[in-house]
Order: sequence, then C-alpha cells, then structure tokens
Amino acid sequence: ETGVTQTPRHLVMGMTNKKSLKCEQHLGHNAMYWYKQSAKKPLELMFVYSLEERVENNSVPSRFSPECPNSSHLFLHLHTLQPEDSALYLCASSQDHMSYEQYFGPGTRLTVT
Amino acid sequence: AQSVTQLDSHVSVSEGTPVLLRCNYSSSYSPSLFWYVQHPNKGLQLLLKYTSAATLVKGINGFEAEFKKSETSFHLTKPSAHMSDAAEYFCVVSEGPGGYNKLIFGAGTRLAVHP
Repeated sequence: ETGVTQTPRHLVMGMTNKKSLKCEQHLGHNAMYWYKQSAKKPLELMFVYSLEERVENNSVPSRFSPECPNSSHLFLHLHTLQPEDSALYLCASSQDHMSYEQYFGPGTRLTVT
Repeated sequence: AQSVTQLDSHVSVSEGTPVLLRCNYSSSYSPSLFWYVQHPNKGLQLLLKYTSAATLVKGINGFEAEFKKSETSFHLTKPSAHMSDAAEYFCVVSEGPGGYNKLIFGAGTRLAVHP
C-alpha cells in the first residue's frame, strides 16, 4: 500500500447507528487531517492532528469524534448522525502541521438515512 | 482572513484546445497558492504550488499557473486539453502563520473535455 488509504469507501448508516471511518498513511508523515466535502460547498476542514495531538477542532459537532492512536492512523467515530452529514469525508496527511503540501486519500462516501 | 474565488463553476473545452481556469484570492500578506485536481471517486492530487519563488509555476500533466500580485490572481492554464483532464479543480490558499498551516479551498471548477 502506498500513499493515503481510507476504509470503507462507501458507507450507508441510519441515524441511530455507530460507525467509524479509518484512514492510514504510508508516507511517514506527522500530521493528519479530516475534511468534509459536501455537494456545492468548498472543502471544510474538520480536525487536524500533529504527532497524535489534536491541533484544531473546527467547530465540529460532537457526534463526530476523531481518534489518532499513532501518526499513521486516524479514525473518525460517528454517532447519531443527521441526513445533512451525508458527504464525502477525506483524510489527508502532511510532513508536519506547518507543511504546505497535503496528500489526500480517496475518501469515504457517507450516506445517512 | 484569506479567501479564494473560482470564477467559473463549470468550464467546457474541446480536446486539443487551451484550458483556462480562473482563480482570485484575498490575502493580508504574501500567500502560498495551490491547485489541486480531483478525478471522479478519487482523492485530491496536488497539481502545482506557488510559495514566493518564480511567479510562473509549472505542474504535472502540462499545467501551469501564474501568480499575479497586482491582479490577485492565480489562473491555471494548459495549452492543449486532453480527455483525461476532465475533473474538478480546486484553487487553494494557505493561511500560513498560526498554529498550523490551514488550507482554504475554493468552491471548485468542473472541467469537461469534449472530443
């Protein structure tokens, strides 16, 4: 595996379900990010982790809970989501949190029913 | 605060003709600017970046962008479009100083290439 991988690629969940999105980077980077990409809206930064510590929480509802157990893995735990949370969730990594260049995974397409 | 405006939400060109995707930015200091491309069902890929060196930046797949401070623009060009260029393109500015390097994305321009 190379680059940034995300699983699952597609997820359908009900509003009462609990699920998790997984991201793994194989680039030796120290910073990881979660973004939300909704139709007809710019990418929204959700969370930033640097060396497993959260650097930014961009006013994201508590029904989204990130976890970064080590510098290669990032999770997004989902609980009691709303239909408007349906979107493409993109993970990215960079050498460190001050690096300009971010490398993106293919995303998880989430549908909340 | 930084912001990015992509002037066209959709651009359609014929294969072999030039491509121009327009981007204007707002920044309170010297910005770093980027273009990313997203093909269907794929993540974003960095095309090129400007970080205060040469104002004409060359990227992958024959794309170029020119930083024009007087016009606050960073338009993306390619002399001859290929069918594989059909994708969504994002102009991005880096917010720079602060706790981390935050990327501010434009709304995107969808490029269609016709035979």
